[in-house]
Amino acid sequence: AQTVTQSQPEMSVQEAETVTLSCTYDTSESDYYLFWYKQPPSRQMILVIRQEAYKQQNATENRFSVNFQKAAKSFSLKISDSQLGDAAMYFCAYYRSGNEKLTFGTGTRLTIIP
Amino acid sequence: GAVVSQHPSWVICKSGTSVKIECRSLDFQATTMFWYRQFPKQSLMLMATSNEGSKATYEQGVEKDKFLINHASLTLSTLTVTSAHPEDSSFYICSASSGLASYNEQFFGPGTRLTVL
Repeated sequence: AQTVTQSQPEMSVQEAETVTLSCTYDTSESDYYLFWYKQPPSRQMILVIRQEAYKQQNATENRFSVNFQKAAKSFSLKISDSQLGDAAMYFCAYYRSGNEKLTFGTGTRLTIIP
Repeated sequence: GAVVSQHPSWVICKSGTSVKIECRSLDFQATTMFWYRQFPKQSLMLMATSNEGSKATYEQGVEKDKFLINHASLTLSTLTVTSAHPEDSSFYICSASSGLASYNEQFFGPGTRLTVL
């Protein structure tokens, strides 16, 4: 079974600084997707960024970028120029192509220090 | 973007009663809907997957007779918690996806907080 591990229950960063959230996963599949979701206090899940496993290039979305290391099964999220609105729970998630199911990590609570 | 709504957003009920939660895809047809449960400060745990017109597929350890899921149309799925007890108190989140591609994005509802007294 696929597992997703987030080893940092909590992280904090000064506003305008950069922070990296870690995620590792375990799979024997070759065709899959990885995601970072944000869950703010409203509890609405928001997709932050997506990475296709077959793509070598790391995905970027404005201030958000990932470091995808397929061989190491590592998928970290870098948030640049942190803003107060970035404060939330961040979940790493795994999706096996054709399986439909998302497997979530345990989450990292990110606090932004003004 | 695709919008998924849930109703109610929160509900309080007495132990032993049943509660129904609705999940609607507002601007797309959802061939598949998912129900998750989230305990405080924990991750989302998939409870079941439902396809329109078919019986739901429950994850291991989820009581299908307690958590009744109906996906009667391409825009509506319901989760009924039968004979609710305090341990059923949780945050329930649905998501919906469409299409038969190798990857179908799940769009999440805002969640329903259930408190059983």
